[in-house]
Amino acid sequence: DIQMTQSPSSLSASIGDRVSITCRASESISSYLNWYQQHPGKAPKALIYGATHLHIGVPARFSATGSGTDFTLTINSLQPEDFATYFCQQSYNVPRTFGQGTKVDLK
Amino acid sequence: QVQLQQRGAGPLRPSETLSLTCVLSGGSISAHYWSWIRQSPGKGLEWIGDVRHGGNANYNPSLKSRLTLSVDTSQSHFSLSLKSVTAADTAVYYCARYSLDYDLVSGLNFYSMDVWGEGVTVTVSS
Repeated sequence: DIQMTQSPSSLSASIGDRVSITCRASESISSYLNWYQQHPGKAPKALIYGATHLHIGVPARFSATGSGTDFTLTINSLQPEDFATYFCQQSYNVPRTFGQGTKVDLK
Repeated sequence: QVQLQQRGAGPLRPSETLSLTCVLSGGSISAHYWSWIRQSPGKGLEWIGDVRHGGNANYNPSLKSRLTLSVDTSQSHFSLSLKSVTAADTAVYYCARYSLDYDLVSGLNFYSMDVWGEGVTVTVSS
């Protein structure tokens, strides 16, 4: 199985900050990397597909880069609704695997 | 607007069979793969499997021996059956659409879980 490792596990930030979350795959997954946002008690929401592409309706303050094994999700100018947990997920092969999550909370 | 509504299961005892259904509205069930994912505090998000109309399915090897996924196009729903449950199967179970997006620049097809059900809590306890 491909292991997905996110860092940090949690971070504290203020409104308006720029934050970045890293996801590393245990082997190359090309650009087959997705990002999701989850608020407590809610289902995950798709943010990014194909490593860099925003899903329709996702605010432009979200951006993502990477290919191969190293990927980054960046949120520019953090907004109150962005405090949540973020997961990466590889769609390169089966079993599809998720990172352990990065919780972004208010400093 | 595509929506997925999950039908839950009551509390289960060990060795029973978990059955869940996810009903699609606002879209075509024949056009996509449909996924199941679960989330427990100890294991985070775990992909269970995905299935397409016609029976083509991918299963997590860790669950494959107990798992059956199916699609019913006449009812516009898809289902999960997990046999011989244990306490380790206690989790919130989500269904999702596993949708294809084509990137014109790279020529690659990318899949992601772009629409999710609300989730249902499944508790296995004796």
